[in-house]
Amino acid sequence: QVQLQQSGAELAKPGSSVKISCKASGYTFTSYYISWIKQTTGQGLEYIGYINTGSGGTNYNEKFKGKATLTVDKSSSTAFMQLSSLTPDDSAVYYCARSGYDGTVNWFAYWGQGTLVTVSS
Amino acid sequence: DIVMTQSPSSLAVSAGETVTINCKSSQSLLYSGNQKNYLAWYQQKPGQSPKLLIYWASTRQSGVPDRFIGSGSGTDFTLTISSVQAEDLAIYYCQQYYDTPPELTFGSGTKLEIK
Repeated sequence: QVQLQQSGAELAKPGSSVKISCKASGYTFTSYYISWIKQTTGQGLEYIGYINTGSGGTNYNEKFKGKATLTVDKSSSTAFMQLSSLTPDDSAVYYCARSGYDGTVNWFAYWGQGTLVTVSS
Repeated sequence: DIVMTQSPSSLAVSAGETVTINCKSSQSLLYSGNQKNYLAWYQQKPGQSPKLLIYWASTRQSGVPDRFIGSGSGTDFTLTISSVQAEDLAIYYCQQYYDTPPELTFGSGTKLEIK
């Protein structure tokens, strides 16, 4: 069965960076894009961007350009998201998710369990 | 960006009742090339990740009970939950995928409480 397993909660200081992982299993990793989504109480669900797990190509929502960097390690079927120059506004739960269809981004049939990032001095 | 507006923001019903949740998009989600509406619905229970319920506005994801029904077209969509059960306590979100990624957007959510 398809599973997306994310890394654990992070506590980070303002100005630092964190790198979250999302390990996929149960399907051909390079056939489906991995997307990342931010969830906060105030802003709800926000789409950050996606990575083409086959080519490594990325596409970011304008709001998250310069904030998020998406990478992939095909050998371990793992996608990563690095968040840089952290501020308290980056405190949120971050999800990785896989699309319903291969080779595109549409609805999200599978989600990781979420990674809580807390930014505090 | 396409703005997704959900209503109501919360509601409380008794078990066995029927619930209607609305989602309105700032522009049409109906693609003329295939006559499909690019809208999905999710359920997020407390402490869990969102779960896909519906895509293409009315296609139920495998394993989703048939009491969850998606309908609508263009800019106005509805998620109907018939014979609500206690386990349906959750926040429900709509999401459009008409816009080219990464411009996907979600509604602000509707919190369903069971009296």
